[in-house]
Amino acid sequence: DAGVIQSPRHEVTEMGQEVTLRCKPISGHDYLFWYRQTMMRGLELLIYFNNNVPIDDSGMPEDRFSAKMPNASFSTLKIQPSEPRDSAVYFCASSLGTHNQPQHFGDGTRLSIL
Amino acid sequence: AQSVTQLDSQVPVFEEAPVELRCNYSSSVSVYLFWYVQYPNQGLQLLLKYLSGSTLVKGINGFEAEFNKSQTSFHLRKPSVHISDTAEYFCAVRSDSNYQLIWGAGTKLIIKP
Repeated sequence: DAGVIQSPRHEVTEMGQEVTLRCKPISGHDYLFWYRQTMMRGLELLIYFNNNVPIDDSGMPEDRFSAKMPNASFSTLKIQPSEPRDSAVYFCASSLGTHNQPQHFGDGTRLSIL
Repeated sequence: AQSVTQLDSQVPVFEEAPVELRCNYSSSVSVYLFWYVQYPNQGLQLLLKYLSGSTLVKGINGFEAEFNKSQTSFHLRKPSVHISDTAEYFCAVRSDSNYQLIWGAGTKLIIKP
């Protein structure tokens, strides 16, 4: 079975550039989560969607961050303009829509902003 | 509000020795509990989960955890660790009132040869 697929795996770009991270959830999952992981802050939930609708974006750090889910099989997280402090590993996860179901994670995108 | 505390940021242990990684949570309602493992440069992978029923839960790779409601704990154990268990382990909790997973800060398991 295909798991959660994220692209790219690594991204290195200069500050001020636009960055787009992509995620394909597991087919049939109706919840999608975007996380950021850093040494300083650990694992932070940025935003999550249910049936393609954003439910809680209170974790999005600034207006420079935006996320979309145009359909059930694709989501993007965009940072514009990017800053060095955005450097982190960004994870996408998906799950079925009941509270006792686990989240399934992708392998992450390691983002470095120079 | 819910919270999860992983009491140790790092746990060094010799290969083939037993290990316990501690997790305590706070919640006023019934919870679902999860342990995830993160190997270097990988995403998080589910180790085991407690939903209801037996308080001793067995997971992958020989790990098990025991749910203790009175102590609000969900400690992870393995009787004999292997070098391949080197990873970071995360405890997480969810209740029926909130769909988000609340995460602990993680515990790095360091296996000494």
